[in-house]
Parts: sequence; C-alpha cells; structure tokens
Amino acid sequence: DTAVSQTPKYLVTQMGNDKSIKCEQNLGHDTMYWYKQDSKKFLKIMFSYNNKELIINETVPNRFSPKSPDKAHLNLHINSLELGDSAVYFCASSQQRGREQYFGPGTRLTVT
Amino acid sequence: QKEVEQNSGPLSVPEGAIASLNCTYSDRGSQSFFWYRQYSGKSPELIMSIYSNGDKEDGRFTAQLNKASQYVSLLIRDSQPSDSATYLCAVTPSSGSARQLTFGSGTQLTVLP
Repeated sequence: DTAVSQTPKYLVTQMGNDKSIKCEQNLGHDTMYWYKQDSKKFLKIMFSYNNKELIINETVPNRFSPKSPDKAHLNLHINSLELGDSAVYFCASSQQRGREQYFGPGTRLTVT
Repeated sequence: QKEVEQNSGPLSVPEGAIASLNCTYSDRGSQSFFWYRQYSGKSPELIMSIYSNGDKEDGRFTAQLNKASQYVSLLIRDSQPSDSATYLCAVTPSSGSARQLTFGSGTQLTVLP
C-alpha cells in the first residue's frame, strides 16, 4: 500500500487556468505538508496542516489555497496559473510536527 | 546566512569507497536531524534520523551529529553506483515556523563504477 499518494503525477496546463492536486496518506499521521521543488531542486515548504488546521502558511501567493477535508487528505488548489508555478509539488506527512516526514511521489506541474 | 547549508557538489567517489556528506546548521537549539535521498525524478526518501550527539549506524550508512559544532554528516560505506543521488539534510529548528523541517539545498553524489 502506498503510504502517501498524490494525483495527478503530471499536470500540463495553460497560463490562467485553475488546477488542483490531491494528496492522501494512510499512515495515520496528524500533520501534512505541501512543498514546492523548483528547477534548482530546492525544497521549500508552502503549507502545513495539523489535524485539519492550517499551522504554516509560508510566503506563497494567495492563488494557492490548501484544503484539508480530514486528517488523511490535503489538497492544493491553484488559481490563475502562471509560468513561474511550473515545478514539482510534493505532499508529505509526519506523525507530529518536527518529526520525520514521508513524501508522496510528487506532481510535476508544467504551465505553458 | 542560510539555515541549513550543504555543499552542492557534485561529489564523485569510486565504487567501494566511503562517501562523506556534510551539513551545517545555524540554529544552535535544533533538536532533530534527518538525511533524505532523492533520485532524479523521484521524491525524497528518509534514510537516517539522528537526535543526539554521536554516531548512528544503519547498514552502510552512518549519521554523525556534533551539536557543539553544529554539523551533521552522513557516511556511506562501500559506495555503490545505486547510491548516486542527491542527499538532502533536514533540521528541525528550536522555534519558529511551527518547528517545521528546514532542508538544505542538497549534495549530488555520483558513485563511479
């Protein structure tokens, strides 16, 4: 069984469109995260949810909106996509804040 | 000053050698330290975690932590071509940002057959 899963794996879309990425974890973890990894491979945290509550919202354009319907799911919705949004987005989870994080397979977003 | 620093590499070692990867961090109160391996096109995979000073061994991997000097290292013994990947150091700061992991920019390791 996949511990942290994301859909879709690839996403190609045009500028201005709205898209969503879904994440699910079956590890029973309390905390989930969204990361962005750019072309230089730097992994930057975007959001963190603990028990469905937002606890981190780093400097991210408000076009990005996370939603956590329950502890096992954290989705990322992006409005008005821009070229600079092209990156790999990873979902991760941990049992508690500050502990080991386990990553999903990533979603490669390409905005044309 | 970057919070977590790693040499970007690339670091090349011959097969069978010991690969040594280093990471320094700025927050003296940091408590938790992790090493992740990321193959090209794949997600980061946790390979080691260490919480107290000293060495921690797991198979061919040894993590070393020195809190006084604020560095953590990863040694890979008997390096194999399959170890070729980017290695990410991650640190949990003592405060701020809800104590989330801060990642270094990674060191690219190539093991030459």
